[in-house]
Order: sequence, then C-alpha cells, then structure tokens
Amino acid sequence: EVQLVQSGPEVKKPGESLKISCKASGYDFSKFWIAWVRQMPEKGLEWVGVIYPGDSDARYSPSFQGQVSISVDTSLTTASLQWISLKASDTAIYYCARHPYGRPYDSWGQGTLVTVSS
Amino acid sequence: EVVLTQSPGTLSLSPGERATLSCRASQSVNSLYIAWYQQRPGQAPRLLIYGSSNRATGIPDRFSGSGSGTDFTLSISRLEPEDFAVYFCQQFGSSPWTFGQGTKVDIK
Repeated sequence: EVQLVQSGPEVKKPGESLKISCKASGYDFSKFWIAWVRQMPEKGLEWVGVIYPGDSDARYSPSFQGQVSISVDTSLTTASLQWISLKASDTAIYYCARHPYGRPYDSWGQGTLVTVSS
Repeated sequence: EVVLTQSPGTLSLSPGERATLSCRASQSVNSLYIAWYQQRPGQAPRLLIYGSSNRATGIPDRFSGSGSGTDFTLSISRLEPEDFAVYFCQQFGSSPWTFGQGTKVDIK
C-alpha cells in the first residue's frame, strides 16, 4: 500500500527556519515525482513544486521560487520542504503527494500545519 | 500560466440530486492532463477523476467527468451524504501546474 506520512504540526516565529518531511513507503520511491501543495486557511490548493527522487531534479512554481527549497533523501525515502526565513504569510497546511509522470496526484500525505506567528 | 476558473463557487443541493461542476481553462489543455479532486473537511484531497473522464481506483460510478479544450465538467449523478465536500480541478499539462479555486457542494 502506497503511504505518505508527513511530519507533525509546527509553530514558529517570523524569521525562523523550518524543514518539514514526507516519508514514503509501499512503492519504489526513486521512480515517482513528489509534489508539494500549499493550502492557506480556508483557501484553495496551490502548487509549490515537485522533485524527482531519482536525480533530485526539483522544479518550483514561480510564486514559490526562491522562497522554499525541496529536497529528498533516498536512503530514508523522504522528501522535505524547507524555509530559511519564515513569514506570517507562510501559515498554511502543506501537503505532499505522489505524482506519477504525466498522471495526477494519486496519493497524498495527511498534511502538515505550519503556523508562523510572533 | 494556465488559470482554471471553477463555477459555481458554492452549489447547494439535497441528497439524491445531481451536481454539475464546471472548470474553465484560460487556454486549451490536453484532456489527458485534467484531474478532479475531492476534499472533505479536515482531510487531504483525494483523486476522483483523471484524464478528464477516468475514475480513480475505488471511486463510485456516480462520479463522471467530461470535457475538452478549455471546458471541463465533473458530474455527480445522485448526491450521497459523503459527497458534500469541496471539489478542485487541476491541470498538469503546462508548468506551473495549477488548481482551480474550488467548488463547495453543501447541503441545501
């Protein structure tokens, strides 16, 4: 069974750094893209970016380019989303999802709530 | 960037009624790269329809999708209580992949 299990909720102050994770199991991790999606409170879904674990090729939405960094650790079958300096506007739920090439997101993590507040 | 506009914003219906949701793209999208997701309160989205009209594994046949070019539709033939949720369309044919803003189907 394909499973994506995300790290727990985080409460941070503006300017702090953060890395959240998405642990994959039940399939060959290196062969499927992993996407990150943001959902701000009471809002819709926004595509943050994707990474291919096979070669760590990462691509970002222009809206998020330079604001976040996506990485993988294939030995841990884990993808990560990282911020160097959080803003209050980063407050949201962040989902990871498996993205077969040319296909939609067929499995989703449970989401990680990130709260940034002074 | 392909902008997806969903309508209506909210659809108020009763159980047993038919729901028709629209997703319009700002430019033509290959229907292979259109998907629909359902999101229930407090849950992650789940895939319903891909390739514009194919149901994902385990999705009941009361859900159907159609469309081509710039106009796509999700239909729910007879609403069950668990279908009252928010529905998002997505295109993944042109980077950046984008989502519509969502249609909420709530109980009338």
